[in-house]
Amino acid sequence: AQSVTQLGSHVSVSEGALVLLRCNYSSSVPPYLFWYVQYPNQGLQLLLKYTTGATLVKGINGFEAEFKKSETSFHLTKPSAHMSDAAEYFCAVRSSGNTPLVFGKGTRLSVIA
Amino acid sequence: GAVVSQHPSRVICKSGTSVKIECRSLDFQATTMFWYRQFPKQSLMLMATSNEGSKATYEQGVEKDKFLINHASLTLSTLTVTSAHPEDSSFYICSAKIGAGGPSSYEQYFGPGTRLTVT
Repeated sequence: AQSVTQLGSHVSVSEGALVLLRCNYSSSVPPYLFWYVQYPNQGLQLLLKYTTGATLVKGINGFEAEFKKSETSFHLTKPSAHMSDAAEYFCAVRSSGNTPLVFGKGTRLSVIA
Repeated sequence: GAVVSQHPSRVICKSGTSVKIECRSLDFQATTMFWYRQFPKQSLMLMATSNEGSKATYEQGVEKDKFLINHASLTLSTLTVTSAHPEDSSFYICSAKIGAGGPSSYEQYFGPGTRLTVT
């Protein structure tokens, strides 16, 4: 079975500072990994995903994440935070194309002016 | 990208009544749809998985007689909350995926969610 652990339920950064949201996963098979963002009272929007190939994946809005198998991690980063990045971020994993996503508990990102 | 819609976006109902939520894939055929429930400030919990033309598979602890799921076509799935109670108040999010096989099958596309309030 797969599981996802997001360290830190709330992260606060200053505008222009580095954003680092941590995600560790557990999977018995090579995982497919995802980051989603959720704005208040809205659904989820895909930021980026890793399936195969290059371990550093770039997503929308300047975000990127690196799959590190040895560390079972898929941390999300952005070099410079913007006020509009304030939202809830979810890391998710699936084991194959036919299985549903399993989500972490989410990390709320606050950006301070 | 693929678009998933949900209707209604927000519903308030009285305790004991039933509420139906629709989930549609607008520009693709979804062989599989998922229903999630999200409590305030918490993650998404998978409720059930439905494949077109088949009975839904419910996660442990989810009452299938209370949360009726129908996936009658490749573009429509419905979730009916029967005899709703205040504890059923939540944010319900549906998700759809394109058929198995190929890179596109890895993604799930999410609807905007339905806020259910039972009074």
